[in-house]
Amino acid sequence: DSGVTQTPKHLITATGQRVTLRCSPRSGDLSVYWYQQSLDQGLQFLIQYYNGEERAKGNILERFSAQQFPDLHSELNLSSLELGDSALYFCASSVGLAGAGETQYFGPGTRLLVL
Amino acid sequence: QQQVKQSPQSLIVQKGGIPIINCAYENTAFDYFPWYQQFPGKGPALLIAIRPDVSEKKEGRFTISFNKSAKQFSLHIMDSQPGDSATYFCAATRSATNKLIFGTGTLLAVQP
Repeated sequence: DSGVTQTPKHLITATGQRVTLRCSPRSGDLSVYWYQQSLDQGLQFLIQYYNGEERAKGNILERFSAQQFPDLHSELNLSSLELGDSALYFCASSVGLAGAGETQYFGPGTRLLVL
Repeated sequence: QQQVKQSPQSLIVQKGGIPIINCAYENTAFDYFPWYQQFPGKGPALLIAIRPDVSEKKEGRFTISFNKSAKQFSLHIMDSQPGDSATYFCAATRSATNKLIFGTGTLLAVQP
């Protein structure tokens, strides 16, 4: 158990809908990262937040947005969902102070299926 | 553009064998190279990592070999066990950010 929690574990929705994925980082970790894992794209970095502020952005679609709240939990919002958004979405956390070389601890993921 | 190339896509070895997974990167600014292990239904977990100032790192049965001039690094698993059966991902990142760029993954099966 990494100490990172994600809810829900599974999510089934329809095209055009909007969903929110939630992540609680390990106690004491200030950085939260979101990754998407799909069969065709592999594991891809989406976005990073550090202590409430956006720190880095990857291949995140404009239909997707994220935020980190004062209690450090994070939410990933996916809107106008398409079939191709079906994937595993992972949240990871790290202490957030040392940059490269900090271990990122991954949560169990949320499996999203868009029908 | 794929910045970290990983091979093979899948690998089958007998118990006790030494599977080797290879990765190559393009961006010379990368300065941290971790390997992650992922079991079905679980998130990736850090296995071992290396920086480019060393050529080899060992942790238990896992060894990373790093060739900076060739921009390649590899994972060796000594005395592999059926419990090592998982998907292995190499990754790379640079000091300006902790954004991990992952390889495509290698599905390893260790047969008893």
